[in-house]
Amino acid sequence: EPEVTQTPSHQVTQMGQEVILRCVPISNHLYFYWYRQILGQKVEFLVSFYNNEISEKSEIFDDQFSVERPDGSNFTLKIRSTKLEDSAMYFCASSWGAPTGELFFGEGSRLTVL
Amino acid sequence: SQQGEEDPQALSIQEGENATMNCSYKTSINNLQWYRQNSGRGLVHLILIRSNEREKHSGRLRVTLDTSKKSSSLLITASRAADTASYFCATETQGGSEKLVFGKGMKLTVNP
Repeated sequence: EPEVTQTPSHQVTQMGQEVILRCVPISNHLYFYWYRQILGQKVEFLVSFYNNEISEKSEIFDDQFSVERPDGSNFTLKIRSTKLEDSAMYFCASSWGAPTGELFFGEGSRLTVL
Repeated sequence: SQQGEEDPQALSIQEGENATMNCSYKTSINNLQWYRQNSGRGLVHLILIRSNEREKHSGRLRVTLDTSKKSSSLLITASRAADTASYFCATETQGGSEKLVFGKGMKLTVNP
């Protein structure tokens, strides 16, 4: 069964460092998302991406964040200068049809900022 | 205040019992979805109910939606220990937003 894959599963970084989280969405999906979940808390929307551009972003998604789909398969989230409060589980998701039909999530990338 | 809030926040039951989780939301929606998350894992879609639907079934799951009360419930019948997980409701709000807004989630523990 097709699945969304994310790498790395866990990354530890120093505050101020750049981090790139990678995702391979399901191949025929058209809509791509990043969500994050701070430990034990709610799942927060970061950004949606369609037709090679950002279609919606939240207030969390400030200038430190960027997304890219460089090669038609990977979908990356870059955090330019990490802060302690960026520590969270980051989930990539994709969907085929309408932007808010069923979302297929990856297993997440845990980011720890020291 | 957030769009989707599950109630109760934690529920512990015995295997074989039914589990009911409630979700309230604030704005008009196009659809409401329920997701499950095992500890430390990704979210898995369970069921989607559209705003013009009142009830939907999928296996041991039954979802209801009351748009007049802005609430939904998820019923898991004949629970199993493997149903132990966190459950989230998520809403697609009307007005062209492309994001799903998730609630805080509810921790269900099914004791064998």
